[in-house]
Amino acid sequence: QQPVQSPQAVILREGEDAVINCSSSKALYSVHWYRQKHGEAPVFLMILLKGGEQKGHEKISASFNEKKQQSSLYLTASQLSYSGTYFCGTETGKLIFGQGTELSVKP
Amino acid sequence: DTAVSQTPKYLVTQMGNDKSIKCEQNLGHDTMYWYKQDSKKFLKIMFSYNNKELIINETVPNRFSPKSPDKAHLNLHINSLELGDSAVYFCASSETGYEQYFGPGTRLTVT
Repeated sequence: QQPVQSPQAVILREGEDAVINCSSSKALYSVHWYRQKHGEAPVFLMILLKGGEQKGHEKISASFNEKKQQSSLYLTASQLSYSGTYFCGTETGKLIFGQGTELSVKP
Repeated sequence: DTAVSQTPKYLVTQMGNDKSIKCEQNLGHDTMYWYKQDSKKFLKIMFSYNNKELIINETVPNRFSPKSPDKAHLNLHINSLELGDSAVYFCASSETGYEQYFGPGTRLTVT
């Protein structure tokens, strides 16, 4: 039931791009993306709804392929502040989070 | 102006004790949640309340009992604490089906 994220960890230099994938074995109604910095609470980034509606962060984009039950988070021109653990959450009456992807952005 | 607040931030206690964690949200949301995050960062939902009514109750030991006195508060009481209960507990709130706002977390350490 838990969605699977890949990669598990990624290291970037400032300015580089990254893609984090999230896939589920179940049909999805929506996908949420959150970022958690070390020692802090998860913070909402993006929600993708069935039918293509998106709502979220200015500098981060995402896609949602309902047929493939997959979502991807695109981080472009990464900044140091992007470092943290990214979680996707799949909504089927309740939010089930993936195992997280740890992203480190180095100067 | 904290949106979702939790107390205490840290809780260190011995096995067998009973403890409570309190959560309050001032966002006017109708749904509140408790999550447990273990040492591997796995974030798992425990309970969800909508307008004081329990709507999600995951397979959590009976020693955990949530209580929602009103729409803005959701407390978590834990009886007979065990070593495996050590984790960070997050409270969250949302309008149903939309983005969730998390509290700062309570780090529980059972010795």
